[in-house]
This record gives sequence, structure tokens and C-alpha cells, in this order.
Amino acid sequence: QVRLVQSGAEVKKPGASVTVSCKTSEYIFTAYPIHWVRQVPGQRLEWMGWITAGNGNTKYSQKFQDRLSITRDISANTAYMELSGLRSEDTAIYYCARGLVSTPTPQAIDPWGQGTLVTVSS
Amino acid sequence: DFVMTQSPDSLAVSLGERATINCKSSRSVLYNSQNKNYLAWYQQKPGQPPKLLIYWASTRASGVPDRFSGSGSGTDFALTISSLQAEDVALYFCQQYYGTPPTFGQGTKLELK
Repeated sequence: QVRLVQSGAEVKKPGASVTVSCKTSEYIFTAYPIHWVRQVPGQRLEWMGWITAGNGNTKYSQKFQDRLSITRDISANTAYMELSGLRSEDTAIYYCARGLVSTPTPQAIDPWGQGTLVTVSS
Repeated sequence: DFVMTQSPDSLAVSLGERATINCKSSRSVLYNSQNKNYLAWYQQKPGQPPKLLIYWASTRASGVPDRFSGSGSGTDFALTISSLQAEDVALYFCQQYYGTPPTFGQGTKLELK
């Protein structure tokens, strides 16, 4: 069964950076893209970006372009999301999720990691 | 960005009854050359991540019960649960993946009447 297991909750001060990891198992890591989506309490899901795990190509939402970095470690079957310049509005649950199909094309996403709560507070 | 608008925001349905959730896109998500609608539906229960129910507007994801069905094309879509079960109480989202960034509806909360 495909699994995506994320790192634990984080509390950060405004202006800091946070890195969330997403360790995958039970499939060929390099064959599928990994997406990052966040859910601010009371707001709709928000797509942040994705990485093609095979070649490391990334695409980011314009909203996060300047402060988001998505990377991967093939040897560890793990993807990472780093968000810098944190502000209170970035308090949210951050999810990684695998692309449904093994091509870097527009697609639905499933399954999802369990989510990581990032709290930004002074 | 594509704006996805769901209706209603919340819905109360009795066990065994039909539930229908609507989703409207600000622009067509139909890719004509493939005749595919780039539209998905997700279910989210409290404290859990979203789970894919439907993709390509009407294809059920693996393991999804056949009481869930998706319909529509272009800009107007619907998710129907033919006979509501207690375990279907959840938040439901539509998502378009035609444009970048992929965008989601605001969610519809489905409750038991």
C-alpha cells in the first residue's frame, strides 16, 4: 500500500523558514510527481507546487514562487517542502500528495500524507 | 486562476437518501482534443487528509463505492451519492487540474438529517 509519511508539527516565529519532509514507500519514488497542498483553517485547499521526482523539475504556484523550494532525495524516497519568510497567515496544515499517474502532466492527486501543522507565532 | 465555486456550502441528507453537490468552474476544464474534463472530487473527514473519490469528472478512484458518481462537462459538475451512508458524513471538495495552479472549491459539508 502506497504511503506518504510527513514530519511532525512545527512552531516557527515570523520571518523564519520551515522544512517539512514527506517519506514515501511501496512504490517507485522516481516514477510519480509529488505535490504540496496546504489547508489554512476555514479556507479552501491551496496548491503550492510539485516536483517530478525522477528529474527534480519543479513548478510552483506564483503565490509562493519567491519563498518556496521543493526538493527530493532519491536515496531516501523523500520529498521536502521549504517555505521561507513565514508570516502568521502561513499557519496551516501542509500536505504532500502523490500524483495519480506516473507522468508529469496535469492530474488528480492521491494518496495524501497525514498532514503537518505549521504554526507561525511570535 | 480558475475559480471553483461549490453549492451548497452545507447539506443535510437522511440516511439512504440521495445527496448532490455542485461545482462550477470559472472557465471550461474540458480538454477538447482528449474529450476529458480535468476535474476531481475529494472527501475529507475530520482530522484526516483528503481522499480522492472521482477524477476525469466521472471516473471512480480505486476502492470507492459505486454509490459515488460524478457527472458534468465544461464548467458545471456534480458529485452524487445515491444512497447516503453514515460514513459519508464529511467535507467534499472539487478540484480542477486543467490550469496551473490547480484550484479547489471552498468545500461542501455533508451532514446527516
